[in-house]
Amino acid sequence: DVKVTQSSRYLVKRTGEKVFLECVQDMDHENMFWYRQDPGLGLRLIYFSYDVKMKEKGDIPEGYSVSREKKERFSLILESASTNQTSMYLCASNRVRGNTIYFGEGSWLTVV
Amino acid sequence: AQSVSQHNHHVILSEAASLELGCNYSYGGTVNLFWYVQYPGQHLQLLLKYFSGDPLVKGIKGFEAEFIKSKFSFNLRKPSVQWSDTAEYFCAVADSGGYNKLIFGAGTRLAVHP
Repeated sequence: DVKVTQSSRYLVKRTGEKVFLECVQDMDHENMFWYRQDPGLGLRLIYFSYDVKMKEKGDIPEGYSVSREKKERFSLILESASTNQTSMYLCASNRVRGNTIYFGEGSWLTVV
Repeated sequence: AQSVSQHNHHVILSEAASLELGCNYSYGGTVNLFWYVQYPGQHLQLLLKYFSGDPLVKGIKGFEAEFIKSKFSFNLRKPSVQWSDTAEYFCAVADSGGYNKLIFGAGTRLAVHP
């Protein structure tokens, strides 16, 4: 069974903290994505990666960075968390020439 | 840049009414098109997808969508909704000729009253 696993389902962090959200996929997919989901705004792409050590900005990269040192793992980093980054974060992966995208279950982040 | 517009943010229907949710996208190349659904408290599920061939696509739970290339549209339809269709619906586009990244619309919240 294919899987995208987000290690943390619920997190509460303080303003200014550095936050790591981890995502692992076991399907040998080239592409991995980080989205945030907010009411009325849908899912917005933060960053994606099409290969190890390669990354591209999505629509809302400000305040975030990413790391992809291994093909199966894609990390989202909030260098200094702010309250406006309170959101649901979704990781996803797919093949560059594939037709199905797989989502993780999401990480609920609250910044206080 | 790619973008996806969903025209209706909130839709309220009575059971047995017909449903049509609008979706337009902007991208000049070859695209794959998707509709996802998110039921209250649950994560995203794929309703249907279009890659090529017959522009009328049938999905799960009686949903269908029609790809009209000239209008850059991919509207979702269901002839008769049920209370259990209450959910949020997301249209999405992937640039199949590029990196195949998925861009979502803002979503439409559907409430179906018994």
